[in-house]
This record gives sequence, C-alpha cells and structure tokens, in this order.
Amino acid sequence: DAKTTQPNSMESNEEEPVHLPCNHSTISGTDYIHWYRQLPSQGPEYVIHGLTSNVNNRMASLAIAEDRKSSTLILHRATLRDAAVYYCILREGNSGGSNYKLTFGKGTLLTVNP
Amino acid sequence: GAVVSQHPSRVICKSGTSVKIECRSLDFQATTMFWYRQFPKQSLMLMATSNEGSKATYEQGVEKDKFLINHASLTLSTLTVTSAHPEDSSFYICSARAGTGGYEQYFGPGTRLTVT
Repeated sequence: DAKTTQPNSMESNEEEPVHLPCNHSTISGTDYIHWYRQLPSQGPEYVIHGLTSNVNNRMASLAIAEDRKSSTLILHRATLRDAAVYYCILREGNSGGSNYKLTFGKGTLLTVNP
Repeated sequence: GAVVSQHPSRVICKSGTSVKIECRSLDFQATTMFWYRQFPKQSLMLMATSNEGSKATYEQGVEKDKFLINHASLTLSTLTVTSAHPEDSSFYICSARAGTGGYEQYFGPGTRLTVT
C-alpha cells in the first residue's frame, strides 16, 4: 500500500494561513491524493483531492509537487473551527475506477490558537 | 454535500449481548459502504467493505462472525456486534460512496459503543 507521512501535530494562530505537509514518496502514477479532516468525536469530513495539478475549493487549496512525492494542504485563514486531525490519504485502486478503499494514517493534529 | 447518518449515536450494552448500528445514505444511493473502528487517540481502522446485495469483504484480523454486516439496500447498511465484550467498546464509523463516478467518500457521524 502506498503510504503517507505527516507531522504528528502543528499549531497555528487564528486568521493566519496554515500549510499542512504530506510526504508520499511511493505514490504510483494512478494514485489520487485525498485530504480528510476529523473534528473531535465526529466522522471524517472530505476536504479536497487531486492528481497532478493544484486544486482549490471553498475549504482549502491543495498544492502538489511536480514529482508528486509530496503535497501541501493550505488553509488560507485558519479559524478555531479548523482545529482537527487532518489526514492525507492516497486513493488505492485504478485511476478512474470506483473500486478503492481509503486507508487512514495517524494524521496531523492541528491546533488553532485564538 | 451528501449526507450519511448513523443510528444510534451512542449505545451502552451489557457484555454478551448484541448491538446493531445502522448507517444510511440520505440523499444518494450508496453502492459501496465501509465500516471503520476508532479507538481513543488512534486513527480509523477499516473493518470491512460491503457492496449492495453482496457479502461484505472483511479486513485481515476482523472476525466476520462477530461483526455482521448487511448491505441490503442502496441506502442502508447495518453492523451488528455480536456477543459484545468490553474490548469491543469503540467509536464505529460508517462511510458510503455512490456508484458510477463516485470518487468521494462520505462519512457518518459515528456511533460510540460502550460495553459494560
């Protein structure tokens, strides 16, 4: 299984940008990069995903390195509600197919200071 | 976004009894559903994958006779923990994915099971 490496924890101040890194040096050419987050005592929430190009949505941006061996989730202005565990996951399975499963690592615990 | 619900949100049961947890996709048809378990301070561990109308595929080390999964319709999957023991106490989370073109996976809010 392609694995990811993330820092155990990071800290940020409210209203400042946050860059959450993820290393995935064994990524294969068909693996998508997914990011989920989990607030305390809740199920995970989809944040963003991408393949090669950088992606933006209303929640965050995803910057993918040219060699795809790493990526960075960017929260442009952190709020207290962004405090959560952020998981970087490689989607297993064939590209374009729906037969995949998500394997969660330990993630990064983001603390946001007021 | 798509919504997945779970019921109950919390349940306490006595050791030796069985408990059923329901997972529903509220506004889409889920051809594939997943069940995860999460112990305190740990990550989610995938227990099994089920496709509607088929038998569930269990991950290595997960007892299929203890954790019964039924995915009888495109909007409902159930997990039954049989003969529960205190070590089965955990946070159980279901997830659902739509059929064609459904690359996003939506998670339920989780069910906290406590076995006394």
